[in-house]
Amino acid sequence: DTAVSQTPKYLVTQMGNDKSIKCEQNLGHDTMYWYKQDSKKFLKIMFSYNNKELIINETVPNRFSPKSPDKAHLNLHINSLELGDSAVYFCASSYTSGVSETQYFGPGTRLLVL
Amino acid sequence: AQKVTQAQTEISVVEKEDVTLDCVYETRDTTYYLFWYKQPPSGELVFLIRRNSFDEQNEISGRYSWNFQKSTSSFNFTITASQVVDSAVYFCALRANMDSNYQLIWGAGTKLIIKP
Repeated sequence: DTAVSQTPKYLVTQMGNDKSIKCEQNLGHDTMYWYKQDSKKFLKIMFSYNNKELIINETVPNRFSPKSPDKAHLNLHINSLELGDSAVYFCASSYTSGVSETQYFGPGTRLLVL
Repeated sequence: AQKVTQAQTEISVVEKEDVTLDCVYETRDTTYYLFWYKQPPSGELVFLIRRNSFDEQNEISGRYSWNFQKSTSSFNFTITASQVVDSAVYFCALRANMDSNYQLIWGAGTKLIIKP
């Protein structure tokens, strides 16, 4: 049973397109996250939701919009894709947003913008 | 400011050698948590261990061991008798109370190459 799943695993698209990445967790966690990992493997938090409420919104372009229909899902919609958006996007979840909580990651979505 | 430094960008050893990955952290908080994650070539991020700031006992799990030393602000990771399957990028991360959002602060990662 997959704990944190993401679809699609690979996404190749043209500049200017709009795309979505879906994330679902079956761990019963209250908090979900989106991270971006660049080509140098640097991990950067983008968003965090606790029980469907946005709690972290780092400086990302407003072309990126997270949507949490329920606490088991956190989708990422990206408008007007740019070359610099090419990266691996990871979804993660944790039991709560507390300092001690371990984050569990999905398999990643490899986005390539041409 | 909080920071995690993994000074070793890449380490290459021959199989069966022991190898230690360094992690040095900075925080003024007294309550914090340290984590290690593994990212194998397949790309997923796998949680390895969590350690809180009040527990300085070393941890051993099979061939993996972790040495937490508050005096030097380090949380090093040792693999004993390394195997090719240990080849991966390893990340150390810090989460502290002072950050109101409890964000994970990530190191840059150490790429470990185990040669057969």
